[in-house]
Amino acid sequence: DGGITQSPKYLFRKEGQNVTLSCEQNLNHDAMYWYRQDPGQGLRLIYYSHIVNDFQKGDIAEGYSVSREKKESFPLTVTSAQKNPTAFYLCASIPYSTGGLNEQFFGPGTRLTVL
Amino acid sequence: GDSVTQMEGPVTLSEEAFLTINCTYTATGYPSLFWYVQYPGEGLQLLLKATKADDKGSNKGFEATYRKETTSFHLEKGSVQVSDSAVYFCALSGGYNKLIFGAGTRLAVHP
Repeated sequence: DGGITQSPKYLFRKEGQNVTLSCEQNLNHDAMYWYRQDPGQGLRLIYYSHIVNDFQKGDIAEGYSVSREKKESFPLTVTSAQKNPTAFYLCASIPYSTGGLNEQFFGPGTRLTVL
Repeated sequence: GDSVTQMEGPVTLSEEAFLTINCTYTATGYPSLFWYVQYPGEGLQLLLKATKADDKGSNKGFEATYRKETTSFHLEKGSVQVSDSAVYFCALSGGYNKLIFGAGTRLAVHP
């Protein structure tokens, strides 16, 4: 089955530690996105990538980093510089050449808690 | 900049009641509009979409019409079920295929 997988589902981190969230898709989509969701709020864009080895900052990129070495993978690292990292993180993808007509496909999410 | 405004929740209804969740947007150009649904602890799933003015998106009994004159995309369902309890997000397509989301509206349906 084609889709987006995120792992782990739950992640606990001590303050001061970096942690990497995995996102993999087998949909052959070009573009991938990372969003952060806080309780009672909409999704906010962290980073996005339209092609391999290229990515752009979203609205709240500070304290995060990404890489896009393979088309199917877009890991997100939450660094110790992120002051309030506890949140639900969602990865999404889309075939790039859609002109905004098609929807993004979302993974199941990773809930990160800083202890 | 582009933005989406949704009615605040939670919306609490009895089973078989009529549902309306309001969504208005501000955008340059002519974006596509989407409704996504999120069940507890899960990612978002596309519920329906409309890509141009006067289009009506529909799925699983839900409907929404792209109204350019009122910049609205209100979600409706004639008879809700307990299984419809979830958070609903209105979104529009910004530049570079980015999505701009509303804050979400929580729906709770009671038997």
